[in-house]
Amino acid sequence: KAGVTQTPRYLIKTRGQQVTLSCSPISGHRSVSWYQQTPGQGLQFLFEYFSETQRNKGNFPGRFSGRQFSNSRSEMNVSTLELGDSALYLCASSLDAASRGSPLHFGNGTRLTVT
Amino acid sequence: QQQVKQSPQSLIVQKGGISIINCAYENTAFDYFPWYQQFPGKGPALLIAIRPDVSEKKEGRFTISFNKSAKQFSLHIMDSQPGDSATYFCAAGKGNQFYFGTGTSLTVIP
Repeated sequence: KAGVTQTPRYLIKTRGQQVTLSCSPISGHRSVSWYQQTPGQGLQFLFEYFSETQRNKGNFPGRFSGRQFSNSRSEMNVSTLELGDSALYLCASSLDAASRGSPLHFGNGTRLTVT
Repeated sequence: QQQVKQSPQSLIVQKGGISIINCAYENTAFDYFPWYQQFPGKGPALLIAIRPDVSEKKEGRFTISFNKSAKQFSLHIMDSQPGDSATYFCAAGKGNQFYFGTGTSLTVIP
């Protein structure tokens, strides 16, 4: 079974631009979660989508948004990029909630650099 | 407020030794406590996880000990191997919303 696929692997953007990251979950998984990983803050939860609906949202500004399509693929968008948005963005998929026995499977991330 | 605190930040262990990483959490509503292993350039991979109604869980060389009253849990890696050299993260949460510790960089010396 193919794992979680994130594209692109690397991105370089300029302050003020916007960016869209893509995530293809494991086949059959309906939940997609997004996390931001930085050396200073570690892994931080952005949001989770389940069956095309946002189920949970972390404490990030409205510049960070996402969506999920009917095939469970998900996109994350960051508008008006700031230098502090430079990070590794990780997508994780699962059948349902991890705490109900469906573990999170992470992709290898998209490394975003904002200059 | 940091929801999950992890220590130590780094750990060096001899091959065959025991590696111990500790975590403490704040929110008693959390109902799932996973540990992840991450290698450079890769996403975190689930190692082992525990629910708060169990005090210990063992899978191969990896054991989680859980103390609900103290709001603490720890990962023990027995017979540590050089291939275990990686960064380890504890996490705590509910559903699919998890708070992660800051990570422990483990180096196992041959």
